[in-house]
Amino acid sequence: DIQMTQSPSTLSASVGDRVTITCRASQNLIRWLAWYQQKPGEAPKLLMYKASYLESGVPSRFTGSGSGTEFTLTISSLQPDDFATYYCQQYANYPWTFGQGTKVEVK
Amino acid sequence: QITLKESGPTLVKPTETLTLTCTFSGFSLSTGGVGVGWIRQPPGKALEWLALIYGNDDKRYSPSLKNRLTITKDTSKNQVALTMTNMDPADTATYFCAHPAGTTGYYAYWGQGTLVTVSS
Repeated sequence: DIQMTQSPSTLSASVGDRVTITCRASQNLIRWLAWYQQKPGEAPKLLMYKASYLESGVPSRFTGSGSGTEFTLTISSLQPDDFATYYCQQYANYPWTFGQGTKVEVK
Repeated sequence: QITLKESGPTLVKPTETLTLTCTFSGFSLSTGGVGVGWIRQPPGKALEWLALIYGNDDKRYSPSLKNRLTITKDTSKNQVALTMTNMDPADTATYFCAHPAGTTGYYAYWGQGTLVTVSS
């Protein structure tokens, strides 16, 4: 299985901050990586796919980058609605696997 | 509009078999590259990928759970079922069904999830 490691596990930030989350893979994913946002009691919501492609309807303050084994999700200016947990997911090889999550909390 | 909804028991006893059903609309599972999968999330923990079935009946499983999982589809009913045997309290989780966008591997569409508790 491809192991996905996110850092940090928890991130304390304020509205307006620039936030970056990192996802590292144990094997080369090329660019087959997605990012999700999940709020308590809700299903995950797709933010990005193929590392840097923004899902329709997702605000442009979210950007994804990276290739191979290292990827980042950046929120350029954190908004109140962005406090949530974020997951990366690889779909380069079966079994598809998720990172352990990064919780973005209020500082 | 694509929708998915999970159904099944909310409480099962240890050693019992769990069967969950995902009923979907807005797409057909009769095309080879189209799939529906199951993902679970124990309370307060991360997402865990479980299984996936494609329209051509190709099936993929998590290796760690493969011996306990069976995924099937009923194209006429627009349903996908997941069976998990020998349930354990550690299997307590919210179980989501989800649909990858097109023939890709990222999940653009999710059900609301169903919480399954394993307890005697």
